[in-house]
Parts: sequence; structure tokens; C-alpha cells
Amino acid sequence: QSALTQPASVSGSPGQSITISCTGTSSDVGGYNYVSWYQQHPGKAPKLMIYEVSNRPSGVPDRFSGSKSGNTASLTISGLQAEDEADYYCSSYTSISTLVFGGGTKLTVL
Amino acid sequence: EVQLVESGGGLVQPGESLRLSCAASGFTFSSYWMHWVRQAPGKGLVWVSRINSDGSSTSYADSVKGRFTISRDNAKNTLYLQMNSLRAEDTAVYYCARDRGAVTGSDAFDIWGQGTMVTVSS
Repeated sequence: QSALTQPASVSGSPGQSITISCTGTSSDVGGYNYVSWYQQHPGKAPKLMIYEVSNRPSGVPDRFSGSKSGNTASLTISGLQAEDEADYYCSSYTSISTLVFGGGTKLTVL
Repeated sequence: EVQLVESGGGLVQPGESLRLSCAASGFTFSSYWMHWVRQAPGKGLVWVSRINSDGSSTSYADSVKGRFTISRDNAKNTLYLQMNSLRAEDTAVYYCARDRGAVTGSDAFDIWGQGTMVTVSS
């Protein structure tokens, strides 16, 4: 199972909005609504930010939102803050009952 | 406090075995599906394996199938990963993670351990 495709890096200024894409196939992202997004700061464990495409766990700011169109899922962060600078990973359930992560995107807040 | 604590990592030679443990506390462990995820130094997250709440169903990534075995002891609130025939490419931090879906699983991980480092080198 190949990793989902994410941009290696994105950047934005405080207060701006950014979007991170996550492209898969009809056998993963496009075929199921089990897409999640994780935030990982250096040296820390990942943190769940979005599950089932667009749902936020309690405690995650509503600045974080998720969506999906076809084989591509997206994470949008609005009102960027310095503490949002981190690595972000998407993941998806697959047709062979496994799970696949994206390669990760480094978000830089300028 | 809801918590996962991994242990058992270390330095091993290629071809050797290692068993990782993940002790759960603060929640009803037996109700949740559980996963192992690894991360090689400086690299991204890679899903390794999944086990359902009663241990009757498991799944593995192709890269570890036939070499790794996931299991759980619900009486001890502990998840395991038995790793055999280890290779250099298995070198990574191994995280255990709780699936937020208690009954059917949702492949979204809401609780993570701190990770345990496994190094495979001669």
C-alpha cells in the first residue's frame, strides 16, 4: 500500500489560512470516510486533530477543519497561530483493511 | 488520567526478536481497538498493526506481515507487539495508540503513548 501524497511543506503568516492536501486513490481516501489528520510537534507523540474526514475531537480548536473531494482530503487551518507550526499527517482506511498514512507536511508559520 | 506507556524497546541485531508492551490505564482497555504505529528517525508515521477489542481479529502492514504479531491481555490492560526476524529497516520509535472507535473501530487514534525506540543494528 503506497503512502498517501502530501506536500512536503506549506507556510503561512499568523492570521492567514492554509490548506494541506492528502491525495490517495479510490481504494483508500476516495472509498471511505475514515480519513484522519494528526499534528506532531518535534519529539512529541502525534495528536488527533480530525477524524472521519471532518470531525473534530473535543479540545481541538474550530480553526481546524477537514474535507474531502474524490480521492483528495484536505486539512484547513484558519487564523494561523505560532503554535500551529508542526508536522501534519493524514491517514486513511484502505480496501484491504489496513491503514495508510501520508508522508507528512511541515507547516511553517512565518 | 488516560494513559498509554510503552516499554521493551532497545538495541538488537538483525534477525533477533523483541517484544514490546503497552500498559493502558485510565480507561476500559477491553472496550477499545488498539494499534501500533512506528516512525523511523526523521521520517513519517507508518501504521504497523491493529487488533480488535477482544483480540479475535488482527491486521498487519505488508512490511511486517509474517514477522510481527500483535496481541493483548485485557485482564492485564496490556497490548503487545512480538517482533521476530528484525531488520535494519524496522529501526523506529514504536507508538501504541488507542482507536477512538470503541465497538467497531474507526482507525482514528485519540490516545498515544510516548513511544519506545527499537534499533536494529549489528
